[in-house]
Amino acid sequence: DGGITQSPKYLFRKEGQNVTLSCEQNLNHDAMYWYRQDPGQGLRLIYYSQIVNDFQKGDIAEGYSVSREKKESFPLTVTSAQKNPTAFYLCASSTAGGPSAQPQHFGDGTRLSIL
Amino acid sequence: AQKITQTQPGMFVQEKEAVTLDCTYDTSDQSYGLFWYKQPSSGEMIFLIYQGSYDEQNATEGRYSLNFQKARKSANLVISASQLGDSAMYFCAMREAPYTSGTYKYIFGTGTRLKVLA
Repeated sequence: DGGITQSPKYLFRKEGQNVTLSCEQNLNHDAMYWYRQDPGQGLRLIYYSQIVNDFQKGDIAEGYSVSREKKESFPLTVTSAQKNPTAFYLCASSTAGGPSAQPQHFGDGTRLSIL
Repeated sequence: AQKITQTQPGMFVQEKEAVTLDCTYDTSDQSYGLFWYKQPSSGEMIFLIYQGSYDEQNATEGRYSLNFQKARKSANLVISASQLGDSAMYFCAMREAPYTSGTYKYIFGTGTRLKVLA
């Protein structure tokens, strides 16, 4: 079955540490996205990418970095510069464009906490 | 700026009854898409229904229907015959046009938490 796999499901970060969240999709989607969700809140866009080796900042990119070396993969690094990283992180993918209605497909998320 | 507003932080509904979750949006684009997602307590986002701005008929998917009123810029989700498993957070989202990046961005509302009572 096609889908999006996020790992790990739970992640703990120590002070001053960078951590990387994995996101892999086998839907052959061009576009991939990272969102942050705080308790009781909606989704806020961190980064998004349309094609390999290209990505754009979303609304809350500070303290985060991404790479897109392969179409299937879009890892997110939460750097030590992100002072409040505790949140639920969701990865999504979709077709890059076109007139047809294409919803985003989501992974099951990663819960990140500070030790 | 484009925006999605969900004014109901929480809703209760009796099992087997219908419930309407409100969503209003703001955009100056003529072409846009509206989506509803369900997020159970486990966290995954489940796509429910889509409405395109040029669609003349309201979208329906099983027990879900979308009450689309373009002039009022509202896209309310109607769940008929509520079930206990419908208890979850529900998010309304809008797809922004790909201006410069060529990639669609999606804007989400703050969500409505629905609780179905037995």
